[in-house]
Amino acid sequence: EAGVAQSPRYKIIEKRQSVAFWCNPISGHATLYWYQQILGQGPKLLIQFQNNGVVDDSQLPKDRFSAERLKGVDSTLKIQPAKLEDSAVYLCASSRFHNEQFFGPGTRLTVL
Amino acid sequence: EDQVTQSPEALRLQEGESSSLNCSYTVSGLRGLFWYRQDPGKGPEFLFTLYSAGEEKEKERLKATLTKKESFLHITAPKPEDSATYLCAVLCRSGTYKYIFGTGTRLKVLA
Repeated sequence: EAGVAQSPRYKIIEKRQSVAFWCNPISGHATLYWYQQILGQGPKLLIQFQNNGVVDDSQLPKDRFSAERLKGVDSTLKIQPAKLEDSAVYLCASSRFHNEQFFGPGTRLTVL
Repeated sequence: EDQVTQSPEALRLQEGESSSLNCSYTVSGLRGLFWYRQDPGKGPEFLFTLYSAGEEKEKERLKATLTKKESFLHITAPKPEDSATYLCAVLCRSGTYKYIFGTGTRLKVLA
């Protein structure tokens, strides 16, 4: 069974630029999550999808972050414009219903 | 407010020196507690799920236990390859289902 795929693995941008991350979950997993993990901290949930509907986006900074999950499969997370404090690892995970989550390798974002 | 706290933040052990990591939680509507291992530069890897107080799970040198207020991850006779950050997460329900992660314990096992 293929794992969760994410791209790119690394991204360096200037502040005020935009960036997009892509995630392909495990086949058959209806639930998809985007997390932000700042160095030395645990993952913080940004948004949770059930199929292609948003279940929880209460911690998503909606003035600059957006996410979509088309056709209930792949998902993209966008930041526009980026700030210095957005430097972090962005993790995508998927699960069946509310069981254990399977994580991708993450995208390390550096905002200069 | 729902909260998950892990201790210690960091732990250094000699190879073979057993110890325990703690995850305490105050949440409403606990539906499960998960332990993950995270190696540098990688995403968290699932280890265990615990659903009710008194439940225990084992895998190689690791054993996870759960009470009504906390969970322990016991590491017996650790090896250097057990070095990683160990994260716990709780699944709770207050309206919608929500996962809350702790900040992790960074474990270093010295040969």
